[in-house]
Amino acid sequence: GENVEQHPSTLSVQEGDSAVIKCTYSDSASNYFPWYKQELGKGPQLIIDIRSNVGEKKDQRIAVTLNKTAKHFSLHITETQPEDSAVYFCAASIREYGNKLVFGAGTILRVKS
Amino acid sequence: DVKVTQSSRYLVKRTGEKVFLECVQDMDHENMFWYRQDPGLGLRLIYFSYDVKMKEKGDIPEGYSVSREKKERFSLILESASTNQTSMYLCASSSRGTHGYTFGSGTRLTVV
Repeated sequence: GENVEQHPSTLSVQEGDSAVIKCTYSDSASNYFPWYKQELGKGPQLIIDIRSNVGEKKDQRIAVTLNKTAKHFSLHITETQPEDSAVYFCAASIREYGNKLVFGAGTILRVKS
Repeated sequence: DVKVTQSSRYLVKRTGEKVFLECVQDMDHENMFWYRQDPGLGLRLIYFSYDVKMKEKGDIPEGYSVSREKKERFSLILESASTNQTSMYLCASSSRGTHGYTFGSGTRLTVV
């Protein structure tokens, strides 16, 4: 089955700097790659996603890139702010019935002001 | 505001008890999922359901069962709670045509 690895497990950046979180997946049939942000005491929330027919997607300060050949995708956050501090999860799914997501282990992002 | 509601935020149960975790969604989603979240392990899929009365095992179904009698409700059952089931439990739902999940706020279960 699909396996998703996520790095780093923790990341500390200074406010205003950029943050990059990387994920690799194992199943070349995976075709959907979302990123979730989980704040303290809350469930994960979808922040951005990318499908396998697209190489890059941007939404204001966040962007996701996908390299299908290398089977890895990354989350880029620019001009980080204290409210970006959270746990971030990447995930991958195959277009099968139910669209089951397989998650990475998560990255704790701390933005220091 | 669409949402997934989990009945309890915090729950403390004794070893051997039968535990019910309830999840309700108001988005008419076909798919519902139960994950557990543990530090360093991410979110691991316990069970999921494509439709009413249908269920499929996820990656870690041992010690758990589920029930989906109505489209909006998906229950996770711990038949005989054990201390290694102490965890954060997250319910999610999605529509058949899309991949995006909507998560509930989670239930933090402690088994003593």
